[in-house]
Amino acid sequence: DQQVKQNSPSLSVQEGRISILNCDYTNSMFDYFLWYKKYPAEGPTFLISISSIKDKNEDGRFTVFLNKSAKHLSLHIVPSQPGDSAVYFCAASGSNKFYFGSGTKLNVKP
Amino acid sequence: NAGVTQTPKFQVLKTGQSMTLQCAQDMNHNSMYWYRQDPGMGLRLIYYSASEGTTDKGEVPNGYNVSRLNKREFSLRLESAAPSQTSVYFCASSTGGIMGYTFGSGTRLTVV
Repeated sequence: DQQVKQNSPSLSVQEGRISILNCDYTNSMFDYFLWYKKYPAEGPTFLISISSIKDKNEDGRFTVFLNKSAKHLSLHIVPSQPGDSAVYFCAASGSNKFYFGSGTKLNVKP
Repeated sequence: NAGVTQTPKFQVLKTGQSMTLQCAQDMNHNSMYWYRQDPGMGLRLIYYSASEGTTDKGEVPNGYNVSRLNKREFSLRLESAAPSQTSVYFCASSTGGIMGYTFGSGTRLTVV
């Protein structure tokens, strides 16, 4: 059973608008969360992270929110740009390894 | 450039054939990982090595073996390939603990 879930396989957003990608997890012992971005034919690359002791982390256009009580995290991209079009994976850390969600394919339309 | 190098990038195997996927990192990372990516399933951990000399099973280890040859290299072997092993394989490394991974560019494997 997947411990990290991304229930939206795809998301389409207009350039300049906000993109919100969601992720749910089941294990309350996870203590660190990350978002990765993946372009076709490339490996995933680290985007942004958040520790379980925080509820928000911001890096430029990217903000990750963590709701521990709901076991939910989200990635906000503002404003969205066509170059943000990629697959986004969330990951949660436990026992020296990361568990990944199934990914959300974001398409930002010009 | 520093990073994780995987070879080969593409491979087609016949059912029952064997092969080894190679991975090397030059960042002096302690931990190395093998993942497979399948549509709708995300990245699933096959095997990992927390440090040189140790290996452990991940979520989907059946049909695979690994070798941590030294600190830099971590190989994944398919002894008798099956169509269900058709996937994109990613190697990753990290300093361990809560730090994120650095991924290689992947190996696309097709078993016919």
